[in-house]
Amino acid sequence: DQQVKQNSPSLSVQEGRISILNCDYTNSMFDYFLWYKKYPAEGPTFLISISSIKDKNEDGRFTVFLNKSAKHLSLHIVPSQPGDSAVYFCAASATGNQFYFGTGTSLTVIP
Amino acid sequence: DAGVTQSPTHLIKTRGQQVTLRCSPKSGHDTVSWYQQALGQGPQFIFQYYEEEERQRGNFPDRFSGHQFPNYSSELNVNALLLGDSALYLCASSLDGAGGPYEQYFGPGTRLTVT
Repeated sequence: DQQVKQNSPSLSVQEGRISILNCDYTNSMFDYFLWYKKYPAEGPTFLISISSIKDKNEDGRFTVFLNKSAKHLSLHIVPSQPGDSAVYFCAASATGNQFYFGTGTSLTVIP
Repeated sequence: DAGVTQSPTHLIKTRGQQVTLRCSPKSGHDTVSWYQQALGQGPQFIFQYYEEEERQRGNFPDRFSGHQFPNYSSELNVNALLLGDSALYLCASSLDGAGGPYEQYFGPGTRLTVT
């Protein structure tokens, strides 16, 4: 039972443009959401998070938007850079202890 | 400041054998979580250890067990290995109670292959 879904396995974007990665969830009890970036042969690296009491959180080039009614969150990267090429995972939690991950979206930023 | 370290990096085992994976958390962290990441999938939560006790467990059979030591390091044990246990095993550490839900820091993982 996949409670967190990333329906786009891959995404290609030109350098300098906006990258939008999407994530949907089914459990209305989730109240904390995170995005991780993963390079090959490395563990996931925390990128940005958002609590369910907010609908937007910004950190430099990265912004996460949360739409609770649609059970949808998205990660915007502006402007996209070649170093952003990686697999991006969204994760959600209801307790702060157990996190449910999506299957990931592989982002390629084309120079 | 060392991050999360895991050993070994790679491991090959035969069906039915037992395996132990090790994790040292990031300095200052007291909580360790273990995840299994199968090929093409996202990490799946196995369990979390805090104060040397299993605090929460995901949907994994009892063949998967763990331990946390007083220095906060942790072990993941898998008994009676199955081919389906082949995966990347990730350890993540965090600091309990650090302002609410907290970011976990992941190690590079241990690649387990069961033949």
